[in-house]
Amino acid sequence: AQSVTQLGSHVSVSEGALVLLRCNYSSSVPPYLFWYVQYPNQGLQLLLKYTSAATLVKGINGFEAEFKKSETSFHLTKPSAHMSDAAEYFCAVSGYNQGGKLIFGQGTELSVKP
Amino acid sequence: EAGVAQSPRYKIIEKRQSVAFWCNPISGHATLYWYQQILGQGPKLLIQFQNNGVVDDSQLPKDRFSAERLKGVDSTLKIQPAKLEDSAVYLCASTDPRGDRLNTGELFFGEGSRLTVL
Repeated sequence: AQSVTQLGSHVSVSEGALVLLRCNYSSSVPPYLFWYVQYPNQGLQLLLKYTSAATLVKGINGFEAEFKKSETSFHLTKPSAHMSDAAEYFCAVSGYNQGGKLIFGQGTELSVKP
Repeated sequence: EAGVAQSPRYKIIEKRQSVAFWCNPISGHATLYWYQQILGQGPKLLIQFQNNGVVDDSQLPKDRFSAERLKGVDSTLKIQPAKLEDSAVYLCASTDPRGDRLNTGELFFGEGSRLTVL
């Protein structure tokens, strides 16, 4: 069985500060891991994904995430927050050859203060 | 390239009424999904289609929910009768397995249909 836990339902940072959103997963098969972003009243947009190639994955809008198998983590980071980063962020997992059956975490709402 | 289209964007109904949501996936995407996103939670898969066949509907409450994709393109999700706990955003997503050669599960989502049941 697969599951995803996002630590912290709400994170608040100041503009220009480091963004760190935490995600831990559980999977009985080699996982594929994703971060999606959801802006208000919009659908989910893929930020980045890990597919067993490089463990450090770079995504759009300056975000990146590092897959750490020993810690079963896939935390999302951005060196400097921008006001436009305020949104809901979801971590998700799928397994090898289980394409499309994403298991999502409960989401983390990111607020950015001026 | 046009994205995943969904309608209506918002719907308010009384409990025990019925409602239908429509989805048009990205052109050429053979696989289509319906997810339910309850406020404060992550999306949960309801049903997965491959062309016009159902691949997985194990999480679909079949006593009240139904979905079809008759011609392998558009899809409709119906709820009848609706309950208060069905209030949620219903997200449609699609993918093209030929373009996702590792079958990783990268999905393209529509903007969703927000249902409020009073």
